[in-house]
Amino acid sequence: GQQLNQSPQSMFIQEGEDVSMNCTSSSIFNTWLWYKQEPGEGPVLLIALYKAGELTSNGRLTAQFGITRKDSFLNISASIPSDVGIYFCAGRDQGGSEKLVFGKGTKLTVNP
Amino acid sequence: NAGVTQTPKFRILKIGQSMTLQCAQDMNHNYMYWYRQDPGMGLKLIYYSVGAGITDKGEVPNGYNVSRSTTEDFPLRLELAAPSQTSVYFCASSYSQGTGELFFGEGSRLTVL
Repeated sequence: GQQLNQSPQSMFIQEGEDVSMNCTSSSIFNTWLWYKQEPGEGPVLLIALYKAGELTSNGRLTAQFGITRKDSFLNISASIPSDVGIYFCAGRDQGGSEKLVFGKGTKLTVNP
Repeated sequence: NAGVTQTPKFRILKIGQSMTLQCAQDMNHNYMYWYRQDPGMGLKLIYYSVGAGITDKGEVPNGYNVSRSTTEDFPLRLELAAPSQTSVYFCASSYSQGTGELFFGEGSRLTVL
């Protein structure tokens, strides 16, 4: 089946630093989404991207839909302790399937 | 607004037992999903439904069953529980056109011993 390669697997950063993570696919996607999961909770949608080249911000978060439609990245600027969690990318292929494919997640730890 | 509600939050089963994980949403979403999350493995789709009376298999359906008799409810049935089904299960729902914008419940942690 389809696979998403998400990197890095984990990150340990100091408060105030910027963070970048990315996701790549072997096939073309028409939707990219980024979710955040905090401990003991379900994932929560951060940003949704629907057009190749689209760049979208949500506060300190910025995500882009790669021009090849096979990748996406998420940046977090000026990290704070509450940014801690697991960040998942998810994609939906061009066939219009109702099924999302999820990456394995990037675990972010922020040291105060 | 309750959103997506899952019960129970925690459960321990013995091998061979059966149980049902309940999921209810109050957002009038047509699309509902069941995922399992194993450590370091992301989310795997078990079953999904595009509306009442319609269900379909996801990536890892073996050992599970679902039903969708109402728009609100989407229970997941585990028959003959096995240790491989130890996992955290998430129910999710989305708007009718399946934008990928999912609303997740808080999860149900199941341990099979």
